[in-house]
Amino acid sequence: EPEVTQTPSHQVTQMGQEVILRCVPISNHLYFYWYRQILGQKVEFLVSFYNNEISEKSEIFDDQFSVERPDGSNFTLKIRSTKLEDSAMYFCASSPAWGYTFGSGTRLTVV
Amino acid sequence: QQQVKQSPQSLIVQKGGISIINCAYENTAFDYFPWYQQFPGKGPALLIAIRPDVSEKKEGRFTISFNKSAKQFSLHIMDSQPGDSATYFCAARGYGGATNKLIFGTGTLLAVQP
Repeated sequence: EPEVTQTPSHQVTQMGQEVILRCVPISNHLYFYWYRQILGQKVEFLVSFYNNEISEKSEIFDDQFSVERPDGSNFTLKIRSTKLEDSAMYFCASSPAWGYTFGSGTRLTVV
Repeated sequence: QQQVKQSPQSLIVQKGGISIINCAYENTAFDYFPWYQQFPGKGPALLIAIRPDVSEKKEGRFTISFNKSAKQFSLHIMDSQPGDSATYFCAARGYGGATNKLIFGTGTLLAVQP
């Protein structure tokens, strides 16, 4: 069964540093997403990406965040200057039209 | 309007029993209602999903009941097993053309006791 692959599985970074979280969505999917889950809380929408551009972003997705699909297979989330409150699990997901497949996530720890 | 309310927060069920998790929504534009199962350290995995033109959908031991007029839907796990112990999230999709984002409920931690 096709999978969404995320790397790294765990990233520790110092506050103020930039991090890039990487995702390889399922190849024939059209929609790509990043979601965030703070420990013990619900999964929150960050951003959706369709047709090579952001189609919607949440209020969480401020100027420190950016997404790219640099080469037609990878989908990245960049956090420019990390804060302690950015510590969370970050999930990439992709979707054809119905149904979503989530990756296993990247646990980001900001110290 | 964009919220999905989920209850209970946690649930303990004996092996072989029925687990029932409920969700409610306000936005009538939601058009797809999936349930996700999440084990610690893993991403949410799609369990079962329903469209609002159907009142019930069953897949194995898992059933979604959907009440469009009440704007409620629920997950029933029959013959619950210890391996079903996980966090369950309901979700709803707001169809908005190019977005299709999911709105998640707050999650239910299910523990099935042997």
